Amino acid sequence: QQPVQSPQAVILREGEDAVINCSSSKALYSVHWYRQKHGEAPVFLMILLKGGEQKGHEKISASFNEKKQQSSLYLTASQLSYSGTYFCGTENAGGTSYGKLTFGQGTILTVHP
Amino acid sequence: ETGVTQSPTHLIKTRGQQVTLRCSSQSGHNTVSWYQQALGQGPQFIFQYYREEENGRGNFPPRFSGLQFPNYSSELNVNALELDDSALYLCASSGAGPSGANVLTFGAGSRLTVL
Repeated sequence: QQPVQSPQAVILREGEDAVINCSSSKALYSVHWYRQKHGEAPVFLMILLKGGEQKGHEKISASFNEKKQQSSLYLTASQLSYSGTYFCGTENAGGTSYGKLTFGQGTILTVHP
Repeated sequence: ETGVTQSPTHLIKTRGQQVTLRCSSQSGHNTVSWYQQALGQGPQFIFQYYREEENGRGNFPPRFSGLQFPNYSSELNVNALELDDSALYLCASSGAGPSGANVLTFGAGSRLTVL
């Protein structure tokens, strides 16, 4: 069962902040965040592991609540380059699922000047 | 450091035909995973190859098959194509990072249209 992302879409002005949520019904080992621009490959942003938290970029950070199997991606002072579709990908706890991610349906982020 | 390259970038097939998609993994990565991405959806895991062996499969029928070669490159083969197979097929290579978890590096994909 795929994780559920919210919101489905968000529109921002440059400089505004946004939060994208990812929720799973299964116990998780890790949560990965990717951004995909139209016609391009998904690009890795960051990974959050059970028992830890890793920040990948200065103005993009994330949290991972293991008890609730939820992760949130925080984008602060958004830039035009942040526009794209954001996906969370999850790895389940207790298995050998390295690199076998279950992706959410995506959140479309649009940043306007 | 070269990234993940996929070929062809676009192709059109008719129902019942067979297709082979190719992927060259990023230098230093020994694991290749294939994903199917339907329009407007997130990527869906097809299967993974590690050391030339299938290392896990998602909910896809046996007509989806693959290979990994000694240089870690990979092929995805789909037989008896159906209209619903129309999608972007993404290849991702990975290797253990500093955290121990596998981070995926995706190629730009092969866009398959089945008529």
